[in-house]
Amino acid sequence: NAGVTQTPKFRILKIGQSMTLQCTQDMNHNYMYWYRQDPGMGLKLIYYSVGAGITDKGEVPNGYNVSRSTTEDFPLRLELAAPSQTSVYFCASSYQALGTGTYEQYFGPGTRLTVT
Amino acid sequence: DQQVKQNSPSLSVQEGRISILNCDYTNSMFDYFLWYKKYPAEGPTFLISISSIKDKNEDGRFTVFLNKSAKHLSLHIVPSQPGDSAVYFCAASGGSYIPTFGRGTSLIVHP
Repeated sequence: NAGVTQTPKFRILKIGQSMTLQCTQDMNHNYMYWYRQDPGMGLKLIYYSVGAGITDKGEVPNGYNVSRSTTEDFPLRLELAAPSQTSVYFCASSYQALGTGTYEQYFGPGTRLTVT
Repeated sequence: DQQVKQNSPSLSVQEGRISILNCDYTNSMFDYFLWYKKYPAEGPTFLISISSIKDKNEDGRFTVFLNKSAKHLSLHIVPSQPGDSAVYFCAASGGSYIPTFGRGTSLIVHP
């Protein structure tokens, strides 16, 4: 049981380049999330998904796109990289059932992205 | 506008003593609260949670207290150990089940 896996661990991009951050979970969780963490700023939600085929914007979605074609995978796409996207990106998943409390999220190890 | 605030960026405690990490929230719709712990170069890991129907929840050395009228919660670690040194995030959620995170408090436990 690997939990939440993210690739790559590190990446350096030039301004204007594109890339996809991969995220996979093997816990059959219905909810998946992408966060970015800037120094001293906590975790900001970029996009989330409540199930395959359903995605929605979080607090800071500009410059990013997501898709959720399967329960397991939730890739994050950066189309035109900008220095402001330099950050650490975390993918997370959780199981949610309607009418219950908020269940804990399981996080991946993160991707450290630098845009220069 | 921060809906979940952790006003202390850092906290330093002696080994064996109590660590108290605080968290305030502004959204009265929040009804579930979680604490996560994060070591450098790793993702956050879940520590403990509390529902708004309770005012206390314990798990070993970790206890979370919730004061709904003050919109305040705190995490107590007793006794503190050097391995507890990490960044602690408070998170809160309401009907959407999507948590909002605070900025974190860096705890350093000195041997």
